Amino acid sequence: AQTVTQSQPEMSVQEAETVTLSCTYDTSESNYYLFWYKQPPSRQMILVIRQEAYKQQNATENRFSVNFQKAAKSFSLKISDSQLGDTAMYFCAFMKLGAGTASKLTFGTGTRLQVTL
Amino acid sequence: NAGVMQNPRHLVRRRGQEARLRCSPMKGHSHVYWYRQLPEEGLKFMVYLQKENIIDESGMPKERFSAEFPKEGPSILRIQQVVRGDSAAYFCASSPEQGGAFFGQGTRLTVV
Repeated sequence: AQTVTQSQPEMSVQEAETVTLSCTYDTSESNYYLFWYKQPPSRQMILVIRQEAYKQQNATENRFSVNFQKAAKSFSLKISDSQLGDTAMYFCAFMKLGAGTASKLTFGTGTRLQVTL
Repeated sequence: NAGVMQNPRHLVRRRGQEARLRCSPMKGHSHVYWYRQLPEEGLKFMVYLQKENIIDESGMPKERFSAEFPKEGPSILRIQQVVRGDSAAYFCASSPEQGGAFFGQGTRLTVV
């Protein structure tokens, strides 16, 4: 079974600053995806960024980037130039891949990020 | 291309009644997942379905809960004889074959 650990229940960052959210995972699988989802107060689950395990290059999406360390099983999210709209719960998630069939997500417990003026 | 559609957004049921939650996946997606989120907690996997098949229901309580994804129409999560502990947000997600999951806006179930 897979586990995902987010060790930071809450974090705070000032507007325009950079913040890094931590995530570690445990798996014996070799083929998988990792995700960061954002859940603002509206409760919508929004996909922020995705990383395929077989890719060595870290994924980036505008102000969001990841530091994927496969050997260490670490997958941190960096948010640059933080904006008030980034205030949300952030969930790290793992999805194993098998023989062309999608699989369920395993979520961490989340990090509540507050962006302040 | 519409996203994952869930309805209703909010559902109030009295203890003992039945709750039916609906989910229409994104066009072209053949996999549907249901997750439950209790207040101040992360999402917990319940069940994974493909058309007319339940692939993995390891996260779903054995009693009172059932799910289906018929050949035609939306996926349905059904909770019979609801209790206060069933109050939660229920999220549906759909996925293409190559992985990743896109979520609906969720249904907030309140049992009174």
